[in-house]
Amino acid sequence: DGGITQSPKYLFRKEGQNVTLSCEQNLNHDAMYWYRQDPGQGLRLIYYSQIVNDFQKGDIAEGYSVSREKKESFPLTVTSAQKNPTAFYLCASSREGGSSTDTQYFGPGTRLTVL
Amino acid sequence: KQEVTQIPAALSVPEGENLVLNCSFTDSAIYNLQWFRQDPGKGLTSLLLIQSSQREQTSGRLNASLDKSSGRSTLYIAASQPGDSATYLCAVIQAGTALIFGKGTTLSVSS
Repeated sequence: DGGITQSPKYLFRKEGQNVTLSCEQNLNHDAMYWYRQDPGQGLRLIYYSQIVNDFQKGDIAEGYSVSREKKESFPLTVTSAQKNPTAFYLCASSREGGSSTDTQYFGPGTRLTVL
Repeated sequence: KQEVTQIPAALSVPEGENLVLNCSFTDSAIYNLQWFRQDPGKGLTSLLLIQSSQREQTSGRLNASLDKSSGRSTLYIAASQPGDSATYLCAVIQAGTALIFGKGTTLSVSS
C-alpha cells in the first residue's frame, strides 16, 4: 500500500526530554511537511522540505528540529526548548512543493502529551 | 501575510439538507485552494482541489467554488448524511510556501 505512516500514534514525554516523531512515505514525493494542530487553532506549519538535504522553517519552528537525509523520511524532534508541546502532530507529503496541481497527502498523526 | 477564515465554526443540520461551508482568504495571489475532511483524532483527507485558474470542482455530492478576486470559496454538500459529520478544513497554497489553513468548520448531521 502506498501512503504516509507516522509513529508512534501516542507519545508521552516528561518535561525536559527530547522526543522524535517518525514520518515515512512510499509515494516517491519530493516535498514533506510537519504541522501542529491544537484545539480551535487549525493546522500550523512547523517545518517543510522540498528536496532531500534541504528544509525550511515554518511559522512555529522554535523548539523543533528536523532532518531530511532520505527522500522517504522526515523525522521531527521536539526539544526541551518547546514550552508547550502537547498537541496533535501531522506529517504530509506532496509530489513537489507549491505547484498549482499539487495535493498534500497526510499521515494519521501522532498525539504528543507532556506529563 | 495570508489569513484564511472559515465560517461558521460549527454547524448542525438534519439528514438530507443541502448546506454550504464558507472560506475566505486575504491575499488573492494563490496557486490553488483545497478542501479537506478530518475525522476526530485522524489525519486529513483531500476532498477537492481548485486551481487558481478554475472556478469550481465537483466530486459526487460535493461542489467547491472559487472566486479568487473576492478571496472566497464555498463547499456545497448536497443531501447531507450522518457519515458527512466531520471537520472540514480549507487551505490555500502560494508560491514557495506550504498550505495555509483555516480553523475549520465542524459539521454534525443528525439522522
